[in-house]
Amino acid sequence: GAGVSQSPRYKVAKRGQDVALRCDPISGHVSLFWYQQALGQGPEFLTYFQNEAQLDKSGLPSDRFFAERPEGSVSTLKIQRTQQEDSAVYLCASSLGLANEQFFGPGTRLTVL
Amino acid sequence: QQQVKQSPQSLIVQKGGISIINCAYENTAFDYFPWYQQFPGKGPALLIAIRPDVSEKKEGRFTISFNKSAKQFSLHIMDSQPGDSATYFCAARIKGFQKLVFGTGTRLLVSP
Repeated sequence: GAGVSQSPRYKVAKRGQDVALRCDPISGHVSLFWYQQALGQGPEFLTYFQNEAQLDKSGLPSDRFFAERPEGSVSTLKIQRTQQEDSAVYLCASSLGLANEQFFGPGTRLTVL
Repeated sequence: QQQVKQSPQSLIVQKGGISIINCAYENTAFDYFPWYQQFPGKGPALLIAIRPDVSEKKEGRFTISFNKSAKQFSLHIMDSQPGDSATYFCAARIKGFQKLVFGTGTRLLVSP
C-alpha cells in the first residue's frame, strides 16, 4: 500500500480483556514506532523497532503492554487486562531508517468500558 | 526536561491572515524540530522541519522560525485558508535517539 495501515480502526473492549492492534508499515521501511495519543493531547512515544529488534521500549506504561515485530515488517501492539486509562488512539509510524521522516498511520481508537 | 511546551491551545484566524503557533523546550540535546498537521480521524502528517543550525525555513505558505538562544521555535502559516483548519503539533527529537517528543497541540480554525 501507499501508506501505513492500521487495524482495526476502532476497538471496544471490556475492562480486563486483552487486545491486539496491528500495524502494516510502508514497504521497505526499517524503523517502526508506536505512540499513544490521549484525547486532546499530543502523541506520546511507546516503543521503537529497527527491523525486528525492539531498541527502545521506555515509553510502555506498564508490563501489560507488549509489542513485537517478528519478521521486521508487520508489528502488533498487545495490551493485556485492559484498563479504562488505556483508552486512547494508538498510532503507528514508520520510516526508512535513522533520522528519516516518520510517516504515521490513521491510528486505532481503543475504548475500554 | 524532555517536554515541549506549545501555545496557544486554540487559535481562530480569518481567511488570508497569519497563523502563529509557538513552542519552547529546555533540553539542548534536541537536534530536530518537526511540525505535524493532524485532521480528525487521521494520523499526524509532517508539514515542515528544521535543525538548530538554521534560523528560518520556508516551504510554500509555511515558515518555521527558530531561536536557539531562547530555545523557542514557531510555525507561521501565511495567507491562512479554511483547509488549514486542523490541529498542529510541534515536536522534537534528541540527537542519537529516534523517538519524537510532541507538544500538546494547537487547534486552528480559519474562518471563511
